Amino acid sequence: NAGVTQTPKFQVLKTGQSMTLQCAQDMNHNSMYWYRQDPGMGLRLIYYSASEGTTDKGEVPNGYNVSRLNKREFSLRLESAAPSQTSVYFCASRENTGELFFGEGSRLTVL
Amino acid sequence: DAKTTQPPSMDCAEGRAANLPCNHSTISGNEYVYWYRQIHSQGPQYIIHGLKNNETNEMASLIITEDRKSSTLILPHATLRDTAVYYCIVRVGQGNTGFQKLVFGTGTRLLVSP
Repeated sequence: NAGVTQTPKFQVLKTGQSMTLQCAQDMNHNSMYWYRQDPGMGLRLIYYSASEGTTDKGEVPNGYNVSRLNKREFSLRLESAAPSQTSVYFCASRENTGELFFGEGSRLTVL
Repeated sequence: DAKTTQPPSMDCAEGRAANLPCNHSTISGNEYVYWYRQIHSQGPQYIIHGLKNNETNEMASLIITEDRKSSTLILPHATLRDTAVYYCIVRVGQGNTGFQKLVFGTGTRLLVSP
């Protein structure tokens, strides 16, 4: 039982490049989330998916797209990376009682 | 969701109880108080949550004042591994839309020293 798994753990991009962050959970949770965390700050919600086949914008969705591929997987795509998207990205999933389970994070640097 | 106010940092001696306060004076009647912690740059870890009654689990105790405007997370015997940033969050009910507005804030950085 791995919980929430994110790949890659580290990535360096040049401005304008695209990439996809992958997230998978094996806890059979309906809801999944993508957050970003900038240095010295709390987490901000980018997108979330309440259930398979649905996605909704969070606090800071601009510059990102998401796909809920199936119940297990929720990916985050940067179509044209910008230096302002340099951050640590966390994926999370949730059981019905409300507790969030987080992955270990993906550290992205955009040059 | 109600905003929360936490001290930016606290110190605690190993083996002592760590009492982390949180002010949520604008909390509504159906908003739960949640605590998470983040060790180094790992993903946040759930600790405990409550509505109005005090709660205890294997990790910590949560004391909520009678007027629900503040709460305290208690780590009864702090260890060096409890050094982390602790986040107090309030959110609405148990439904899904509450997480759309979940705000972690900057939390309290707890340093446990030998």
